[in-house]
Amino acid sequence: SYELAQPPSLSVLPGQTASLTCSGNRLGEKFVCWYQQRPGQSPVLIIYQDQKRPSGIPGRFSGSNSGDTATLTISETQALDEGVYYCQTWDSATDVVFGGGTKLTVL
Amino acid sequence: EVQLVESGGALGQPGGSLRLSCAASGFSFSTSEMNWVRQTPEKGLEWIAYINSGGGNIHYADSVKGRFTISRDNAKNSLFLQMNSLRAEDTATYYCATGTNYFDYWGQGTRVTVSS
Repeated sequence: SYELAQPPSLSVLPGQTASLTCSGNRLGEKFVCWYQQRPGQSPVLIIYQDQKRPSGIPGRFSGSNSGDTATLTISETQALDEGVYYCQTWDSATDVVFGGGTKLTVL
Repeated sequence: EVQLVESGGALGQPGGSLRLSCAASGFSFSTSEMNWVRQTPEKGLEWIAYINSGGGNIHYADSVKGRFTISRDNAKNSLFLQMNSLRAEDTATYYCATGTNYFDYWGQGTRVTVSS
């Protein structure tokens, strides 16, 4: 079965850029989306089709996907960005697959 | 405003059954594809079932195939998950979510615990 790997944790200082990675075999050939889950809340879609942002998602969030790695970049990180970030992909062979999530801490 | 409100989560017995519901509002439910996704601290997020707008196209994850049934009532803007032959590993928070290959909107979740 297809697997997506995410580092379990990442810490960043306020105002800095956070780069969260998601790895999978030939992931660049699939579409990737990203969700933010704040403590006690449901996941929220923040990036879809590799780099598109739903309405209402700040431009500080951006995505890319190439080779075996997709990256979510959060610019000018703020305290409210703390939470767990999940990547997700899909195709006809694997259905929907989620990564294990990266817990982002803003120090 | 899109709202998805799950209900029906409870303590279930191994081998028993539960039925989850999801009440939708604020969007065109009858033309929307819907899903159930569950979450546990151990396994994280897991997609388990999909149904298209008319209910004629349904897919399940292998982990629930043959035990769970997704259905919908477009007249009542409602999504359902019939859970049979429950196992301890079905213990999770269950979310309904809109979308096909990714999930635009999620409910707040309903908690299912399977234990004797």
